[in-house]
Amino acid sequence: QQQVKQSPQSLIVQKGGISIINCAYENTAFDYFPWYQQFPGKGPALLIAIRPDVSEKKEGRFTISFNKSAKQFSLHIMDSQPGDSATYFCAASSVSGTYKYIFGTGTRLKVLA
Amino acid sequence: DTGVSQDPRHKITKRGQNVTFRCDPISEHNRLYWYRQTLGQGPEFLTYFQNEAQLEKSRLLSDRFSAERPKGSFSTLEIQRTEQGDSAMYLCASSLGTFRGPRYQETQYFGPGTRLLVL
Repeated sequence: QQQVKQSPQSLIVQKGGISIINCAYENTAFDYFPWYQQFPGKGPALLIAIRPDVSEKKEGRFTISFNKSAKQFSLHIMDSQPGDSATYFCAASSVSGTYKYIFGTGTRLKVLA
Repeated sequence: DTGVSQDPRHKITKRGQNVTFRCDPISEHNRLYWYRQTLGQGPEFLTYFQNEAQLEKSRLLSDRFSAERPKGSFSTLEIQRTEQGDSAMYLCASSLGTFRGPRYQETQYFGPGTRLLVL
């Protein structure tokens, strides 16, 4: 019940295209859902985050869509650029717990020039 | 730079040796987390501190692992009698919970990690 399932494992997108990464969770106590971007040899960096009281959040080219009833959320990267090539992790946490993050397994994105 | 820092960035050790990693969080952050990340996987929670108190430890944190945050500022993670299975990236994150209206919100900021290789 603590798992966060992430798909796809890897993704190849043409420059200018839309990258879509999906996550699903079981624990209804989760109430904070961040997305992190990680480059090789670096720590994860926060991209964007959402709470379940909104269905969508947009920051620049990055959008999170959230479906509370389906317990799913997704990251959309619009106008994908080669510099977006990285591994993306979704995560979930609960303010009623320790706030520890449960991470998905990651999606390796490659954007072709 | 006011981000989370970790030292060393890389550590190579022989099986059976002890290693210690240090994490310096963002100065005003009261919570500090340790995660472990193996190749191709997401970070896995190990333990966390609120100020100097260690409030939760994962079952991943065997008795060979110990973490401290003596003055509520920097933290150390020690691994005794290292095993090859300990080879991983050890990540530290810090956070400061804030209220946005009635809602509590917390974002964790990660350091660059310490990559451990046990030979």
